[in-house]
Amino acid sequence: EVQLVESGGGLVQPGRSLRLSCAASGFTFDDYAMHWVRQGPGKGLEWVSGISWNNDKIVYADSVKGRFTISRDNARNSLYLQVNSLRLEDTALYYCAKGGDSGWKNLDSWGQGTLVTVSS
Amino acid sequence: DIQMTQSPSSVSASVGDRVTITCRASQGINSWLAWYQQKPGKAPKLLIYGASSLQTGVPSRFSGSGSGTDFTLTISSLQPEDFAIYYCQQANSFPLTFGGGTKVEIK
Repeated sequence: EVQLVESGGGLVQPGRSLRLSCAASGFTFDDYAMHWVRQGPGKGLEWVSGISWNNDKIVYADSVKGRFTISRDNARNSLYLQVNSLRLEDTALYYCAKGGDSGWKNLDSWGQGTLVTVSS
Repeated sequence: DIQMTQSPSSVSASVGDRVTITCRASQGINSWLAWYQQKPGKAPKLLIYGASSLQTGVPSRFSGSGSGTDFTLTISSLQPEDFAIYYCQQANSFPLTFGGGTKVEIK
């Protein structure tokens, strides 16, 4: 069974940084692309970033480009998101999601999320 | 960026009803369209990919259709566990974009 467990969220002041982590199990991690998707309080889903299985393609939403960095450690079955220069509008539940067998832009498994709250 | 527009934003229906949700892309995306279900306090769940392919384990009362810019998610006979928010997502190009969601509520 696929399991994705996010961690690293918390309450942080504007301008500060956090490192989000996602521990993966139940599948061959280095065969699949991975993504981060966020959901603001009471809002819809916003794709944040994606990374191919071998790191050769990394993509970001414009809203986070230059501030967030996605990475993965296939030896540790882990995905990361370094979030810098946080803004109030970055407050959200951040989900880790697995790219699908049917194409890496389909998100076929999701974690339960880690909450990032940006507030002064 | 490709904009995804869902309608309606909410629908009230009874158990056993047929429910149809539509999603329109701002430009053609072939069949690169996925549908997700999200229940309160839970992560989204992939229902359909490639506009019409059912994800493993998803009940057959869910179906998807469409190509190009116009897509539909149909629940043929609404069950109590289907009350949730449904999102479409274009899988044609980055950045991936989602529709605003359709809340299916109990009538």
